Amino acid sequence: DADVTQTPRNRITKTGKRIMLECSQTKGHDRMYWYRQDPGLGLRLIYYSFDVKDINKGEISDGYSVSRQAQAKFSLSLESAIPNQTALYFCATSASVRRRELFFGEGSRLTVL
Amino acid sequence: GQQLNQSPQSMFIQEGEDVSMNCTSSSIFNTWLWYKQDPGEGPVLLIALYKAGELTSNGRLTAQFGITRKDSFLNISASIPSDVGIYFCAGQLQGTYKYIFGTGTRLKVLA
Repeated sequence: DADVTQTPRNRITKTGKRIMLECSQTKGHDRMYWYRQDPGLGLRLIYYSFDVKDINKGEISDGYSVSRQAQAKFSLSLESAIPNQTALYFCATSASVRRRELFFGEGSRLTVL
Repeated sequence: GQQLNQSPQSMFIQEGEDVSMNCTSSSIFNTWLWYKQDPGEGPVLLIALYKAGELTSNGRLTAQFGITRKDSFLNISASIPSDVGIYFCAGQLQGTYKYIFGTGTRLKVLA
């Protein structure tokens, strides 16, 4: 089983619908991130959380919100999806300041029609 | 914003050949990470580097943290068909939590 699990893996929705992407991890890491990947672009940070009570906006947070339900769970919501939010979304985790490896989930492909 | 320049963007090589790719930036990093990503899948961490000049291997893969702390390279020796995929780098900016990502090198191996 994957250490960082994302659901759903694929989702097609319509403009204006609310969508939630979920992420859970068994790595015991405190830090969790949501990234977006678009063709030809590097991964871009949407939101990050360093612990359950800490939520921070990344470089492209407009149109998104997050919830850190527990150390192991971090969900991303699109309140009213629009077509330019069609992308591959990745959850990632890291352990601490000293151990700086970033581990990714399998991805959630979202298509907004 | 900060950018990572990764090159080459793509390469076709013969099985058995060695491959080299690199990432450069004008910013200083305290960590370099190298990943492989297959289509529709999540990036898999290959190598992590933490110190300027550090040279680390993982099987046929070798990566180095540039001494200026602004670049890194990845070598793959004796390529095989399963090396096909997209390889990208990530750097964590010095003094921050922030990771910057390269746009990837698409590798195709001809048998």
